[in-house]
Amino acid sequence: EVQLVESGGGLVQPGGSLRLSCEASGFTFSAYAMTWVRQAPGKGLEWVSTISGTGYFTFHADSVKGRFTISRDNSGNTLFLQMNSLRAEDTAVYYCATAVDYGDDLDSYYYHMDVWGKGTTVTVSS
Amino acid sequence: QTVVTQEPSLSVSPGGTVTLTCGLRSGSVSRSYFPSWHQQTPGQAPRTLIYSTKTRSSGVPDRFSGSILGNKAALTITGAQADDESHYYCVLYLGRGISVFGGGTKLTVL
Repeated sequence: EVQLVESGGGLVQPGGSLRLSCEASGFTFSAYAMTWVRQAPGKGLEWVSTISGTGYFTFHADSVKGRFTISRDNSGNTLFLQMNSLRAEDTAVYYCATAVDYGDDLDSYYYHMDVWGKGTTVTVSS
Repeated sequence: QTVVTQEPSLSVSPGGTVTLTCGLRSGSVSRSYFPSWHQQTPGQAPRTLIYSTKTRSSGVPDRFSGSILGNKAALTITGAQADDESHYYCVLYLGRGISVFGGGTKLTVL
């Protein structure tokens, strides 16, 4: 059974940093792309970042580009999201999800989200 | 900025059929956007229902179906059940690694 367990959330001051983790089990981690999606309180879902199975491709939403970095450790079956220069508007539940991807180059690359974790809560407040 | 549109709310009677749509503020949705649909009940993690327009995820009952209707992606629920009462989100793939969620549709079964 696929399991994804997020951790690392918490309360942080504006301008601070956090590193989220997503421990994966029940599947061949390196064979799947992985995605972070967030949900602000009372709001809808927002795509944040995606990384290909090898880590060769990484993508970030404009709202986090330059501040957040997605990475992965395939030997440890763990996905990460390094979040710097945090703002109040980054307050959200952060979900990791597996993503099935296709294509070998940027123009042909495509993925879709598949299995979701339960999320970890990040609160940015002074 | 690409805006993905969904009906804010819809209702359906138990046993009835309802269609949720996913459009673009500017332009038409086609299969090349690989639309997907995700269900979320309050306080729960999302669950993927449909990907690549019409492919059901593992374990999803066949009363959920995806399609392109006119210039929008569509999710049709046939024979609605009480536990279908949820929020439904579509996702469009814009290319070059970028995905965008719609604002979601709150479906009420009553």
